[in-house]
Amino acid sequence: GQNIDQPTEMTATEGAIVQINCTYQTSGFNGLFWYQQHAGEAPTFLSYNVLDGLEEKGRFSSFLSRSKGYSYLLLKELQMKDSASYLCAAQDSNYQLIWGAGTKLIIKP
Amino acid sequence: GAVVSQHPSRVICKSGTSVKIECRSLDFQATTMFWYRQFPKQSLMLMATSNEGSKATYEQGVEKDKFLINHASLTLSTLTVTSAHPEDSSFYICSARDGGVRETQYFGPGTRLLVL
Repeated sequence: GQNIDQPTEMTATEGAIVQINCTYQTSGFNGLFWYQQHAGEAPTFLSYNVLDGLEEKGRFSSFLSRSKGYSYLLLKELQMKDSASYLCAAQDSNYQLIWGAGTKLIIKP
Repeated sequence: GAVVSQHPSRVICKSGTSVKIECRSLDFQATTMFWYRQFPKQSLMLMATSNEGSKATYEQGVEKDKFLINHASLTLSTLTVTSAHPEDSSFYICSARDGGVRETQYFGPGTRLLVL
Protein backbone atom coordinates (compact mmCIF):
# COMPACT_ATOMS: atom_id res chain seq x y z
CA GLY A 1 0.00 0.00 0.00
CA GLN A 2 0.87 3.65 -0.11
CA ASN A 3 1.98 5.32 3.07
CA ILE A 4 3.57 8.49 4.39
CA ASP A 5 5.07 8.72 7.87
CA GLN A 6 6.08 11.87 9.67
CA PRO A 7 6.22 12.78 13.35
CA THR A 8 3.02 14.03 14.90
CA GLU A 9 4.52 16.91 16.81
CA MET A 10 7.86 18.63 17.34
CA THR A 11 8.99 21.47 19.57
CA ALA A 12 11.85 23.85 18.88
CA THR A 13 13.22 27.13 20.16
CA GLU A 14 13.06 30.47 18.39
CA GLY A 15 16.27 31.07 16.44
CA ALA A 16 17.20 27.39 16.33
CA ILE A 17 17.13 24.82 13.53
CA VAL A 18 14.65 21.98 13.21
CA GLN A 19 14.48 19.03 10.82
CA ILE A 20 11.16 17.37 10.05
CA ASN A 21 11.53 13.90 8.58
CA CYS A 22 9.21 12.09 6.22
CA THR A 23 9.33 8.56 4.84
CA TYR A 24 7.15 7.41 2.02
CA GLN A 25 6.04 4.34 0.13
CA THR A 26 4.15 4.90 -3.08
CA SER A 27 3.22 3.14 -6.30
CA GLY A 28 5.64 4.96 -8.54
CA PHE A 29 7.07 8.33 -7.66
CA ASN A 30 6.78 11.73 -9.27
CA GLY A 31 8.05 14.05 -6.62
CA LEU A 32 7.84 14.96 -2.95
CA PHE A 33 6.06 18.08 -1.74
CA TRP A 34 6.12 20.00 1.51
CA TYR A 35 3.28 22.29 2.50
CA GLN A 36 2.83 24.58 5.48
CA GLN A 37 -0.55 24.91 7.13
CA HIS A 38 -1.28 27.45 9.84
CA ALA A 39 -4.18 26.70 12.14
CA GLY A 40 -7.49 27.52 10.51
CA GLU A 41 -5.94 28.18 7.12
CA ALA A 42 -5.41 26.23 3.91
CA PRO A 43 -2.00 24.69 3.10
CA THR A 44 0.57 26.72 1.20
CA PHE A 45 3.22 25.24 -1.07
CA LEU A 46 6.75 25.24 0.31
CA SER A 47 8.91 22.96 -1.80
CA TYR A 48 9.15 20.23 -4.39
CA ASN A 49 11.89 17.59 -4.83
CA VAL A 50 12.05 14.99 -7.54
CA LEU A 51 15.81 14.45 -7.76
CA ASP A 52 18.07 13.36 -4.92
CA GLY A 53 19.67 16.13 -2.97
CA LEU A 54 19.04 19.34 -1.16
CA GLU A 55 16.94 22.22 -2.42
CA GLU A 56 17.46 25.46 -0.54
CA LYS A 57 14.98 28.29 -0.48
CA GLY A 58 15.79 30.97 2.03
CA ARG A 59 15.40 29.72 5.59
CA PHE A 60 13.77 26.52 4.35
CA SER A 61 15.52 23.58 2.68
CA SER A 62 14.17 20.25 1.56
CA PHE A 63 16.11 17.05 1.00
CA LEU A 64 15.21 13.91 -0.90
CA SER A 65 16.67 10.42 -1.10
CA ARG A 66 14.66 8.35 -3.57
CA SER A 67 16.53 5.13 -2.81
CA LYS A 68 15.62 5.43 0.87
CA GLY A 69 12.11 6.80 0.36
CA TYR A 70 13.07 9.64 2.66
CA SER A 71 12.78 13.39 2.76
CA TYR A 72 13.26 16.10 5.31
CA LEU A 73 12.33 19.73 5.65
CA LEU A 74 14.93 21.88 7.39
CA LEU A 75 13.92 25.16 8.93
CA LYS A 76 16.66 27.55 10.04
CA GLU A 77 16.56 30.65 12.21
CA LEU A 78 13.16 29.69 13.50
CA GLN A 79 10.64 32.43 14.02
CA MET A 80 7.45 32.32 16.04
CA LYS A 81 5.44 32.59 12.82
CA ASP A 82 6.87 29.23 11.75
CA SER A 83 4.58 27.56 14.28
CA ALA A 84 2.32 25.53 11.99
CA SER A 85 1.69 22.06 10.68
CA TYR A 86 4.03 20.82 7.98
CA LEU A 87 2.56 18.36 5.51
CA CYS A 88 4.63 15.92 3.51
CA ALA A 89 3.04 14.56 0.32
CA ALA A 90 4.41 12.16 -2.28
CA GLN A 91 3.13 12.10 -5.82
CA ASP A 92 2.54 8.62 -7.19
CA SER A 93 2.70 7.32 -10.74
CA ASN A 94 -0.76 8.76 -11.46
CA TYR A 95 0.29 12.16 -10.14
CA GLN A 96 -1.99 11.73 -7.16
CA LEU A 97 -0.73 13.16 -3.88
CA ILE A 98 -0.43 10.77 -0.98
CA TRP A 99 -0.57 12.88 2.16
CA GLY A 100 1.09 12.47 5.50
CA ALA A 101 -0.89 13.37 8.61
CA GLY A 102 1.27 16.44 9.16
CA THR A 103 3.79 17.47 11.80
CA LYS A 104 2.69 20.13 14.22
CA LEU A 105 5.69 22.35 14.95
CA ILE A 106 5.61 24.35 18.17
CA ILE A 107 8.10 27.19 18.50
CA LYS A 108 8.97 28.37 21.99
CA PRO A 109 10.61 31.71 22.78
CA GLY B 1 1.53 33.28 -9.90
CA ALA B 2 -0.39 30.10 -9.08
CA VAL B 3 -3.24 31.76 -7.23
CA VAL B 4 -6.39 29.86 -6.38
CA SER B 5 -9.44 31.61 -5.03
CA GLN B 6 -12.38 30.12 -3.23
CA HIS B 7 -15.78 31.60 -2.52
CA PRO B 8 -17.39 32.00 -0.10
CA SER B 9 -14.81 31.96 2.66
CA ARG B 10 -17.41 31.31 5.30
CA VAL B 11 -21.03 30.19 5.15
CA ILE B 12 -23.67 29.43 7.73
CA CYS B 13 -26.79 27.64 6.58
CA LYS B 14 -29.79 25.81 7.92
CA SER B 15 -30.01 22.05 7.92
CA GLY B 16 -31.55 20.76 4.70
CA THR B 17 -30.37 23.55 2.45
CA SER B 18 -27.75 23.33 -0.29
CA VAL B 19 -24.51 25.25 -0.41
CA LYS B 20 -22.34 25.91 -3.44
CA ILE B 21 -18.62 26.58 -3.14
CA GLU B 22 -16.61 27.93 -6.06
CA CYS B 23 -12.94 27.30 -6.74
CA ARG B 24 -11.08 29.30 -9.36
CA SER B 25 -7.53 29.19 -10.64
CA LEU B 26 -6.79 32.85 -11.34
CA ASP B 27 -3.59 32.82 -13.31
CA PHE B 28 -3.28 29.35 -14.74
CA GLN B 29 -5.42 26.69 -16.33
CA ALA B 30 -6.15 23.65 -14.24
CA THR B 31 -7.34 20.53 -15.97
CA THR B 32 -7.53 18.88 -12.58
CA MET B 33 -8.88 20.27 -9.33
CA PHE B 34 -9.25 18.56 -6.00
CA TRP B 35 -11.71 18.95 -3.15
CA TYR B 36 -10.62 18.27 0.40
CA ARG B 37 -12.35 18.36 3.73
CA GLN B 38 -10.65 18.93 7.04
CA PHE B 39 -12.23 18.55 10.46
CA PRO B 40 -10.67 20.37 13.42
CA LYS B 41 -7.25 19.05 14.37
CA GLN B 42 -7.43 16.34 11.74
CA SER B 43 -5.62 15.67 8.49
CA LEU B 44 -6.69 16.77 5.06
CA MET B 45 -9.09 14.26 3.54
CA LEU B 46 -9.39 14.07 -0.22
CA MET B 47 -13.04 13.97 -1.20
CA ALA B 48 -12.87 13.95 -4.98
CA THR B 49 -10.78 14.68 -8.03
CA SER B 50 -12.39 16.92 -10.59
CA ASN B 51 -11.35 16.83 -14.23
CA GLU B 52 -12.47 19.48 -16.67
CA GLY B 53 -15.21 18.24 -18.93
CA SER B 54 -15.67 14.87 -17.27
CA LYS B 55 -17.26 13.38 -14.19
CA ALA B 56 -15.48 13.72 -10.89
CA THR B 57 -13.82 10.76 -9.25
CA TYR B 58 -14.94 10.35 -5.64
CA GLU B 59 -12.96 8.78 -2.84
CA GLN B 60 -14.37 5.80 -1.02
CA GLY B 61 -17.04 6.76 1.44
CA VAL B 62 -17.85 10.11 -0.18
CA GLU B 63 -21.42 10.29 -1.47
CA LYS B 64 -21.41 11.63 -5.00
CA ASP B 65 -25.11 12.53 -4.86
CA LYS B 66 -24.55 14.60 -1.76
CA PHE B 67 -21.39 16.36 -2.86
CA LEU B 68 -21.98 17.46 -6.43
CA ILE B 69 -18.92 18.55 -8.34
CA ASN B 70 -18.90 20.43 -11.62
CA HIS B 71 -15.69 21.33 -13.44
CA ALA B 72 -17.11 23.29 -16.32
CA SER B 73 -14.01 25.15 -17.41
CA LEU B 74 -10.24 25.07 -17.02
CA THR B 75 -10.42 27.69 -14.29
CA LEU B 76 -13.57 26.85 -12.34
CA SER B 77 -14.80 23.93 -10.28
CA THR B 78 -17.78 23.99 -7.97
CA LEU B 79 -18.74 21.80 -5.04
CA THR B 80 -22.39 21.75 -3.97
CA VAL B 81 -23.23 20.25 -0.61
CA THR B 82 -26.83 19.15 -1.01
CA SER B 83 -29.27 18.82 1.88
CA ALA B 84 -26.59 19.84 4.32
CA HIS B 85 -26.63 18.46 7.86
CA PRO B 86 -24.72 19.58 10.95
CA GLU B 87 -22.22 16.75 10.47
CA ASP B 88 -21.26 18.32 7.14
CA SER B 89 -19.88 21.31 9.03
CA SER B 90 -16.21 21.40 8.17
CA PHE B 91 -13.43 23.26 6.41
CA TYR B 92 -13.63 22.61 2.67
CA ILE B 93 -10.50 23.32 0.67
CA CYS B 94 -9.96 23.10 -3.06
CA SER B 95 -6.70 22.82 -4.91
CA ALA B 96 -5.79 23.18 -8.55
CA ARG B 97 -2.98 21.38 -10.28
CA ASP B 98 -0.89 23.49 -12.60
CA GLY B 99 -0.23 20.79 -15.16
CA GLY B 100 3.41 21.72 -15.55
CA VAL B 101 6.40 19.48 -15.06
CA ARG B 102 5.88 19.44 -11.31
CA GLU B 103 2.13 19.04 -11.39
CA THR B 104 2.02 21.10 -8.22
CA GLN B 105 -1.23 21.50 -6.33
CA TYR B 106 -1.99 25.01 -5.17
CA PHE B 107 -4.66 25.48 -2.56
CA GLY B 108 -7.50 27.91 -2.27
CA PRO B 109 -7.99 29.66 1.08
CA GLY B 110 -10.77 27.30 2.12
CA THR B 111 -14.45 27.61 2.96
CA ARG B 112 -15.65 27.17 6.49
CA LEU B 113 -19.15 25.66 6.48
CA LEU B 114 -21.38 25.67 9.52
CA VAL B 115 -24.71 23.89 9.27
CA LEU B 116 -27.16 24.73 12.02
